Amino acid sequence: QSVLTQPPSVSAAPGQKVTISCSGSSSNIGNNYVSWYQQLPGTAPKLLIYDNNKRPSGIPDRFSGSKSGTSATLGITGLQTGDEADYYCGTWDSSLSAGQVFGGGTKLTVL
Amino acid sequence: QLQLQESGPGLVKPSETLSLTCTVSGGSISSSSYYWGWIRQPPGKGLEWIGSIYYSGSTYYNPSLKSRVTISVDTSKNQFSLKLSSVTAADTAVYYCASLKNAFDIWGQGTMVTVSS
Repeated sequence: QSVLTQPPSVSAAPGQKVTISCSGSSSNIGNNYVSWYQQLPGTAPKLLIYDNNKRPSGIPDRFSGSKSGTSATLGITGLQTGDEADYYCGTWDSSLSAGQVFGGGTKLTVL
Repeated sequence: QLQLQESGPGLVKPSETLSLTCTVSGGSISSSSYYWGWIRQPPGKGLEWIGSIYYSGSTYYNPSLKSRVTISVDTSKNQFSLKLSSVTAADTAVYYCASLKNAFDIWGQGTMVTVSS
């Protein structure tokens, strides 16, 4: 059971838009920055979004992040078949069990 | 361009200690901008943070693994290392090292470690 809750799967057609949610609490998302990672099959995770909504150099603006209260959302527009991957949210948790935490991951299928 | 590479045995016996090293290239492990971390992923499952270290040696660990984990840094070799003691089959996973600035921004390719007799 992950500290951050993500839907197990989402799907959409090429060219469409999809959003992936990440729900937490005041000890994690509510008071800390959120990051998002993309893991293509058989590869290491790759940073897509940091500090809730900032993109590292080289990440296209089709990818966006937002945060409201204790939830965060990753948006992907203009879906491509190459976007089919697992997506993870992550943040710091300031509770008694302090540390970095991740969501359980969401499998994106581009139909 | 910062690059990280994990190395270590791919097979560890139950009850023994798993030892992995992460070699950092393209930058200094003594950079004040970064922490350095270990993350693992059991087959077919999600990511689990193990712990992180600063070049000064300051560490923080996942509370669920803290009693078995030691992370250390060797600035002379530009490396940091992971030791996980008393391993069981549940520790079978791909182990990643990563740099931690605002987030885990650069990842190694990962190394599969199987715990089996």
